[in-house]
Formats: sequence, structure tokens, C-alpha cells
Amino acid sequence: DAMVIQNPRYQVTQFGKPVTLSCSQTLNHNVMYWYQQKSSQAPKLLFHYYDKDFNNEADTPDNFQSRRPNTSFCFLDIRSPGLGDAAMYLCATSLGGDGNQPQHFGDGTRLSIL
Amino acid sequence: QKEVEQNSGPLSVPEGAIASLNCTYSDRGSQSFFWYRQYSGKSPELIMFIYSNGDKEDGRFTAQLNKASQYVSLLIRDSQPSDSATYLCASPGGSYIPTFGRGTSLIVHP
Repeated sequence: DAMVIQNPRYQVTQFGKPVTLSCSQTLNHNVMYWYQQKSSQAPKLLFHYYDKDFNNEADTPDNFQSRRPNTSFCFLDIRSPGLGDAAMYLCATSLGGDGNQPQHFGDGTRLSIL
Repeated sequence: QKEVEQNSGPLSVPEGAIASLNCTYSDRGSQSFFWYRQYSGKSPELIMFIYSNGDKEDGRFTAQLNKASQYVSLLIRDSQPSDSATYLCASPGGSYIPTFGRGTSLIVHP
């Protein structure tokens, strides 16, 4: 089945130790998104790629970086995680276009900071 | 700034009842809406998509859109304990970057 796959499902890292989360898709969608979601809050968009075009949200901390080496893969790098970065990180994809295309989410990565 | 508002709840209904979840939005240009269901600790899952005024039904779920009142709702008939989750309303607002509401927590008790 076509899908969005995130690895790992759970990630524990130490305060300040860099961490990379990965996302792959077999849907051949143009757009890939990274969201941060904390308990009882709406998903917060960090970045998105439309094909190779990278778009950073204005309030995304500089500590967060992203890479999309090809259509299928996208990575989220957190250079120096702080305690406030503990959250669920969601990768999503969509066809893009005029907004009538839904997003398809991966299962998420739960990040814990020690 | 586009806003999508939802009551965070929790909304508690007995098993078998109709659960009514509501969402209001600020962007009059919004043409379509998505409803996602999110179980605790899981990712959002698309359950309904509506883009025209009126009702759209899919099994036990009915989405209702009223563009004049800038209001969209999700009705769940014959609610089951397995429907207990957070329901997120999202508006694409004419782009491929949707605005999410904070979600409404639904609890269906036996």
C-alpha cells in the first residue's frame, strides 16, 4: 500500500545532542510537510517542500533544519534539542495544488529529551 | 490571519447518541474543509472532506458546511466508544497549506 513512513517511532536524545528524524513516501506526492504537535494542541507547521522548493515558517526556530534529497525522502534535523522540543513530530504529504487535496500523515515520531 | 476555531471539549456523549462537533472559520474565501480524527498518541487520519454548502454523508459521519455563517460541523451517529478521539477541523483556505483548529476531544461512554 502507498503510504507515509516515519522512523523511528520513538526517539530519546540528550539535551543538546543532535537528532535526525526521517520520513519517506510512496505516494509520489509533490508536497512534504513537517509538523510539531504538543499535547492538546493543533499541529504546528515547521516547514514544507513543494517539490524542491523549501519553505520555512517564520516562527520555526533556527535549531530546526530540513532536507529533501529526493521526491521520496525528507529529514528533520534538530541541531541542539532543548527540553521544549519534546513533542510528536508528524510528517505529511499532499499533491499540492489548489487546496482540495487532503494531507496524508505518517504515524509520527515521539521525541523525548533527557 | 486565517483562523479555525474549535471548542477543545471534552465533549462527552453516551454510546448510541449523536455527537456534534463544531468548527468556525474566519477566512470567507475558504472553499473546503477536512475533518481528521486523532487517537491519543497517534497521527491524524482523514475521515471527511466537504467543499460545498450542505451535507455530506459517509456511513455514520455527516459533515455540514454553511459558508454564509462560516460554520462547519461533523455529526457522528450511533456513537461508539471507539469514536473517542480528538477531531481536528482543517481549512486549506485555497492553498495546499491548511490551517488546523486545536481539535475537540470526544469521549463516548458506555
